[in-house]
Amino acid sequence: DGGITQSPKYLFRKEGQNVTLSCEQNLNHDAMYWYRQDPGQGLRLIYYSQIVNDFQKGDIAEGYSVSREKKESFPLTVTSAQKNPTAFYLCASSRATGGTGELFFGEGSRLTVL
Amino acid sequence: KNQVEQSPQSLIILEGKNCTLQCNYTVSPFSNLRWYKQDTGRGPVSLTIMTFSENTKSNGRYTATLDADTKQSSLHITASQLSDSASYICVVTNSTSGTYKYIFGTGTRLKVLA
Repeated sequence: DGGITQSPKYLFRKEGQNVTLSCEQNLNHDAMYWYRQDPGQGLRLIYYSQIVNDFQKGDIAEGYSVSREKKESFPLTVTSAQKNPTAFYLCASSRATGGTGELFFGEGSRLTVL
Repeated sequence: KNQVEQSPQSLIILEGKNCTLQCNYTVSPFSNLRWYKQDTGRGPVSLTIMTFSENTKSNGRYTATLDADTKQSSLHITASQLSDSASYICVVTNSTSGTYKYIFGTGTRLKVLA
């Protein structure tokens, strides 16, 4: 079935460590996104990519990094520079242009800093 | 400033009852409006999409309305079930130069009690 796969589902990190969240899609979408979700807040955009080998900062990019070496993959690294990384992270994809722009989401990754 | 506001923030109803969730937006240019359902610890899933020319759209027990003049949308849930317990997120799509930008509401958390 077509969809978006995020891994791991749960991740624990010690302070000072970098961690990488995986996101893979087989929907043939050009655009991919990373969002952060905190209780009581709307989804906030971390990074997005409209095409392979290109990505743009979102509203809260500080302390995060991404790469887009393949159309299907858009991993997110949470670095030690991110001061409050404990959150639920959602990866999404969509057609870059045309259609209705529906966002398809993965199942999310919950990161907890110990 | 593009904004999406949802109300109420949370809602508790008894199984079998109806409820209506509200979404007000100030987004320009407007492309479409979607309602997503997000179960706890899962990724959001699209319920309905409303374009500028549509007033009402149903998806089973879910009925969405859109008033483009007042920039308001509602999601009505009929004969609620325990499985309707979730967060409901209103997302307005802004399309500029053919690419998409998504503005998220903070969601309404619905709890259906037996």
